[in-house]
Amino acid sequence: DIQMTQSPSSLSASVGDRVTITCQASQDISNYLNWYQQKPGKAPKLLIYDASNLETGVPSRFSGSGSGTDFTFTISSLQPEDIATYYCQQLTFGGGTKVEIK
Amino acid sequence: QVQLVQSGAEVKKPGSSVKVSCKASGGTFSSYAISWVRQAPGQGLEWMGRIIPILGIANYAQKFQGRVTITADKSTSTAYMELSSLRSEDTAVYYCARDWFRGTTVVTGGYAFDIWGQGTMVTVSS
Repeated sequence: DIQMTQSPSSLSASVGDRVTITCQASQDISNYLNWYQQKPGKAPKLLIYDASNLETGVPSRFSGSGSGTDFTFTISSLQPEDIATYYCQQLTFGGGTKVEIK
Repeated sequence: QVQLVQSGAEVKKPGSSVKVSCKASGGTFSSYAISWVRQAPGQGLEWMGRIIPILGIANYAQKFQGRVTITADKSTSTAYMELSSLRSEDTAVYYCARDWFRGTTVVTGGYAFDIWGQGTMVTVSS
């Protein structure tokens, strides 16, 4: 199985800050990397698929990039409603990044 | 728009089995797969396995091989996940998700889970 390594495991940022999360795959997965947002007590929500494609209805402050083994997820201007845990995934999931407001 | 509706919470004894259902409401599975993902309390997401309902072909994460069985009934657009030999560490929320595969190889292809069930809490306790 391909292993997904995500960092950091948590971060604290101020409203309006740019937030970046990284994800590394244990082998080349082309651009087949997805990002999910999960709020407490809720099912995960697909935000970005195939590394950089925004799912319908997802705000444009969310973006993704990368290919091969190294990927990045960015929130350009953190909003209070973005407080959640974010996961990268090819088939298996990264360990998650908990995003909090400073 | 298709929704995935899962069966209700379960409490099980160690050593027993649990079977969770996932029904497509407002549509069918079409040509998509259904994956099962679990989340232990306070922990991350763990992929367990998937099935392609129109083919009846399932594959499983190595960790769960021999203990999980995923099936599907095309006539009712319902998928099932059965986990046996339950232990306390299996206490978790179990999710089904519509699984959209892209690519040419199973190992390095893309699996996007775009529609999720509401989750089913399974508690294993003596």
